[in-house]
Amino acid sequence: DVKVTQSSRYLVKRTGEKVFLECVQDMDHENMFWYRQDPGLGLRLIYFSYDVKMKEKGDIPEGYSVSREKKERFSLILESASTNQTSMYLCASSSLAGEVRHNEQFFGPGTRLTVL
Amino acid sequence: DQQVKQNSPSLSVQEGRISILNCDYTNSMFDYFLWYKKYPAEGPTFLISISSIKDKNEDGRFTVFLNKSAKHLSLHIVPSQPGDSAVYFCAASPNRDDKIIFGKGTRLHILP
Repeated sequence: DVKVTQSSRYLVKRTGEKVFLECVQDMDHENMFWYRQDPGLGLRLIYFSYDVKMKEKGDIPEGYSVSREKKERFSLILESASTNQTSMYLCASSSLAGEVRHNEQFFGPGTRLTVL
Repeated sequence: DQQVKQNSPSLSVQEGRISILNCDYTNSMFDYFLWYKKYPAEGPTFLISISSIKDKNEDGRFTVFLNKSAKHLSLHIVPSQPGDSAVYFCAASPNRDDKIIFGKGTRLHILP
């Protein structure tokens, strides 16, 4: 059974704090993604990675950075948290291998981050 | 500019009836389309997909229809069940190696 895990389900931080959100997948997937979900805005891509030590900006990278030192782990970093970063953060992974389901991304359970 | 549009934020359907969720796209380079289902406090889960070389794909109670000329796809759920109450995201991709682009979602309520 495929699995994507995220380090916390709920997190409360203060404005200005550095925040780390961790994501681990056990499927040996090459691709990993970070999204945020906000009411009325759907899923918006923050950053993604197609390989270890590689990262690409998504649609809303401002205020975020990422790290991928190992294939199975993709970290999202909020350098200085702000209240407008209060959101549900979702990690996903996918593989280039296989033909059955193209581009299917497997999601973690999400981290609801509140910045006070 | 939204490339994948779900114009209905919510939809209510009687249990046992057909649920039809609609999605429009603007990018003619999209060649793969997916539907995801999301319950509150959970991550989205893949539901069904369709390649642009097809116009229909069926999986149990779920069928996706693709109309390339209209740049429109729809998800049909028959019969609708209480457990189908969730947010449904339409998504599209220009090729199998690229990221996918999500719509804003439609919240489906199945009424008893």
